[in-house]
Amino acid sequence: KQEVTQIPAALSVPEGENLVLNCSFTDSAIYNLQWFRQDPGKGLTSLLLIQSSQREQTSGRLNASLDKSSGRSTLYIAASQPGDSATYLCAAPYEGYGQNFVFGPGTRLSVLP
Amino acid sequence: KAGVTQTPRYLIKTRGQQVTLSCSPISGHRSVSWYQQTPGQGLQFLFEYFSETQRNKGNFPGRFSGRQFSNSRSEMNVSTLELGDSALYLCASSLETGIYGYTFGSGTRLTVV
Repeated sequence: KQEVTQIPAALSVPEGENLVLNCSFTDSAIYNLQWFRQDPGKGLTSLLLIQSSQREQTSGRLNASLDKSSGRSTLYIAASQPGDSATYLCAAPYEGYGQNFVFGPGTRLSVLP
Repeated sequence: KAGVTQTPRYLIKTRGQQVTLSCSPISGHRSVSWYQQTPGQGLQFLFEYFSETQRNKGNFPGRFSGRQFSNSRSEMNVSTLELGDSALYLCASSLETGIYGYTFGSGTRLTVV
């Protein structure tokens, strides 16, 4: 059974800082891993999808890495902005295949102006 | 192209009633998954449909059911509503069971009074 954890649970940083969010999963036989952003009361916005054959994916100021052997993924946000304030969730497939995703509890990020 | 559309956005129901939520996936997507999000439990998988067949089901009571139509649109039904069913219900679509990642709708906020 796949279990996903995220640290830290919450993070508050001043604008302009580079930061790293961590995601750990128990079943390394994953097909892919996806990072999402969720604004309060809203749905999930996909940020990055990393296939198991990839080590990194980049989109603008975001970079996500995947290390299946250690069961870890990190999301790096460069030059953070107040608009980055949201909850960030990672999700990994259930039972080793993409039947559906198991979500971590999320990291609540606040970027202060 | 149009994203995932969930209707209605908000619902208020009374205990004991039933409710039906609707999800229209991205055109061409055949997989539709449903999730329940609450502050205490986070995001929990309800079920997944692919080409009108339920392929996977989460650990929810039988009061929660769903179906998928030939045009891939999906509905979720909750009977005999309980206060604890108050949550944000999210629908996600994918080309092929998450291989290419999931795209989420904005959700339906259900409040049971």
